Amino acid sequence: KNEVEQSPQNLTAQEGEFITINCSYSVGISALHWLQQHPGGGIVSLFMLSSGKKKHGRLIATINIQEKHSSLHITASHPRDSAVYICAPMDSNYQLIWGAGTKLIIKP
Amino acid sequence: DAGVIQSPRHEVTEMGQEVTLRCKPISGHDYLFWYRQTMMRGLELLIYFNNNVPIDDSGMPEDRFSAKMPNASFSTLKIQPSEPRDSAVYFCASSFALAQTQYFGPGTRLTVL
Repeated sequence: KNEVEQSPQNLTAQEGEFITINCSYSVGISALHWLQQHPGGGIVSLFMLSSGKKKHGRLIATINIQEKHSSLHITASHPRDSAVYICAPMDSNYQLIWGAGTKLIIKP
Repeated sequence: DAGVIQSPRHEVTEMGQEVTLRCKPISGHDYLFWYRQTMMRGLELLIYFNNNVPIDDSGMPEDRFSAKMPNASFSTLKIQPSEPRDSAVYFCASSFALAQTQYFGPGTRLTVL
């Protein structure tokens, strides 16, 4: 069983839709990263959180440490949000455990 | 700050050749990470440094791979001799601390023919 599971693996939505990507993990963690990888390959760190909720623009990330679950939400989605979104919990040794990613396509 | 800088952005070489990838971390960051990304294995941590000292190289695939950090502003990842299965995108990242956000470079796409 993978230590990190993301769902869905692929998501196609229309512009303007509310997007939710889920991440479940099985190990104890100190924090969790959400990263975005653009079609060109570049990786951008969106959030690092260890509790509660963080918001940046149209992006919201939440985490429930007890339930070992995190979600990434995108409000008013736009085609430029099309990318792969990666959940990466950080274990007790501060090593990132990489999820397989969710490929998001937003159609105009 | 310009962010993490990697060079070259693309490298095509023939099997058996030596390949050197370069990284300049964000100034002031004490940690530097080398990752490899392939379709089959996703993102893998190869090695990371703290204050120029290698801390964990357990992810380095084999002796053909070596990494150095001679000073706080420069690191290299060397593959000698290169093999086709080394073809991947290699990312460098840096952070203030282990528990802090890692900032990624644009990556080097390596193709070994």
